Amino acid sequence: QKEVEQDPGPLSVPEGAIVSLNCTYSNSAFQYFMWYRQYSRKGPELLMYTYSSGNKEDGRFTAQVDKSSKYISLFIRDSQPSDSATYLCAMTRSGGSNYKLTFGKGTLLTVNP
Amino acid sequence: EADIYQTPRYLVIGTGKKITLECSQTMGHDKMYWYQQDPGMELHLIHYSYGVNSTEKGDLSSESTVSRIRTEHFPLTLESARPSHTSQYLCASGKTGYYNEQFFGPGTRLTVL
Repeated sequence: QKEVEQDPGPLSVPEGAIVSLNCTYSNSAFQYFMWYRQYSRKGPELLMYTYSSGNKEDGRFTAQVDKSSKYISLFIRDSQPSDSATYLCAMTRSGGSNYKLTFGKGTLLTVNP
Repeated sequence: EADIYQTPRYLVIGTGKKITLECSQTMGHDKMYWYQQDPGMELHLIHYSYGVNSTEKGDLSSESTVSRIRTEHFPLTLESARPSHTSQYLCASGKTGYYNEQFFGPGTRLTVL
């Protein structure tokens, strides 16, 4: 079983839709959870991070972590064509080996005008 | 402007050639990373460095080698390129911190014929 599972999609939605992107993980040692956005032919860029369980909101984006279910989500409200990209979840342990991130495969999102 | 740079962006080369992929960052980060990314697959860590004169192999076995002689520079070398090395190579840097945020370069797309 992979440590992080993410449905690669592709996911296609109309402009203005609410988008839900999800990852599950198996390692209960993960404490920090991140979402990266990667546009075509670019490197990933950090979108949001959360620590432990809970919600975090930044504009149209909301990240949720449910550690009891080992499940994280990213919600995008009022989606825009500029949100079309691949979204990768990533997570890391706290403590000694905190140099490494474990990534999901990424979900390809297309927002149609 | 603080940033992370990779050159070349695209490289098409014949089997057996020696290649060096360049990565430089102007953010003063002590940690640097090389990832391999294939379409629809996870980012795989192939090398990382904690600082000058420190290099470690990542989770994915790679025939490439790296060096870290200067803080800002982390080149990756393939002594004899093969078609199996065809992939996207992403360089990243990060600062010491509790959630290990990493900043990615634009990537080098390598094709070995």
